[in-house]
Amino acid sequence: AQRVTQPEKLLSVFKGAPVELKCNYSYSGSPELFWYVQYSRQRLQLLLRHISRESIKGFTADLNKGETSFHLKKPFAQEEDSAMYYCALLGANNLFFGTGTRLTVIP
Amino acid sequence: DTAVSQTPKYLVTQMGNDKSIKCEQNLGHDTMYWYKQDSKKFLKIMFSYNNKELIINETVPNRFSPKSPDKAHLNLHINSLELGDSAVYFCASSQDRTGGETQYFGPGTRLLVL
Repeated sequence: AQRVTQPEKLLSVFKGAPVELKCNYSYSGSPELFWYVQYSRQRLQLLLRHISRESIKGFTADLNKGETSFHLKKPFAQEEDSAMYYCALLGANNLFFGTGTRLTVIP
Repeated sequence: DTAVSQTPKYLVTQMGNDKSIKCEQNLGHDTMYWYKQDSKKFLKIMFSYNNKELIINETVPNRFSPKSPDKAHLNLHINSLELGDSAVYFCASSQDRTGGETQYFGPGTRLLVL
């Protein structure tokens, strides 16, 4: 069965500190994974997808099939990064979302 | 030039009432979705329509009925509202039916059942 786990509901870091939002998944096939972000008072939007291998707003995420993880990382957190982050797994005809992690960047 | 729009933005109603939430997308996408975000911020898919055809129907009460008059619209009708229906409902759309393309989300409708 497909499952996405984000173990941290809340994560606080200081501005300029590195940040890592954890995501683990369970899927029998070849996974396709995404990170979505929801800033305060804004709609949910795609941040990045693993097949693109891109860096968006300084964030990167590497798919680790051995550890079944897709952690989101940024070397230097900014205040504007404060938001709700969702990891998502593409299953058959559906995106499965994790429960989300609220990131707060402290000035 | 809003891509995915939902109305109303807020909906406060009494238990037992029937209400509808409308969703429209102007992206020319073939597939539309309804998600429910509960108080714990967990996002769960409810329905998916591709070209007006239902392709995903997760385990939701049959009080919830989606209606797709055309591929640009997917409305959600809820009968006999219950307290547990209080949540934020998000509409989304994507180009293909697998969800592999980027899903574009609406701003959400916050439903409060009293």
